[in-house]
Amino acid sequence: AQTVTQSQPEMSVQEAETVTLSCTYDTSESNYYLFWYKQPPSRQMILVIRQEAYKQQNATENRFSVNFQKAAKSFSLKISDSQLGDTAMYFCAFRTTGANSKLTFGKGITLSVRP
Amino acid sequence: DAGVIQSPRHEVTEMGQEVTLRCKPISGHDYLFWYRQTMMRGLELLIYFNNNVPIDDSGMPEDRFSAKMPNASFSTLKIQPSEPRDSAVYFCASSRQGFWNSPLHFGNGTRLTVT
Repeated sequence: AQTVTQSQPEMSVQEAETVTLSCTYDTSESNYYLFWYKQPPSRQMILVIRQEAYKQQNATENRFSVNFQKAAKSFSLKISDSQLGDTAMYFCAFRTTGANSKLTFGKGITLSVRP
Repeated sequence: DAGVIQSPRHEVTEMGQEVTLRCKPISGHDYLFWYRQTMMRGLELLIYFNNNVPIDDSGMPEDRFSAKMPNASFSTLKIQPSEPRDSAVYFCASSRQGFWNSPLHFGNGTRLTVT
């Protein structure tokens, strides 16, 4: 079974600074996909960034980037130039491939951006 | 694209009553997922369907919970009888088969309160 661990329940960062959110996972699969989702107070689930396990290059989406370490089974999210609108819960998620594909989430981390 | 549509947005009911949550996935999506979100347990996968067939219901907490997908455009999650510990936000999500790196598209969730 796959598990996703987010060990930090809460983090806080000053506006305009950089913050890194940690995530580790456990799997015996060789091909899979990793995601970070954002959930603002509106409770909408918003995809932030995705990473294919077979790609060595780290994914980047504007101010968001990941540090994917496949051997260590680590997938951290870096938010640069933090903005007040980044305040939200962030979930790391893992998805297998194949007919029985499903998405498994970590427990999430609450990020607060201070003005 | 109207997105995943869930109803109702909020549901308040008394213990022992039957509750039915509804979901309309995005047209053309082959997978449908039901998740439950609580503060204590985060996002838990309850059940998911592929082409209207239940693939994995191991996350369904007990026999009081049941889910159906009679056709490609509609699914229900039923709780009978409901209990206060069922209070949570229930999300429905859908995605396309074969596109493993595609994000799940989430509905806005149903907040269930059982008194």
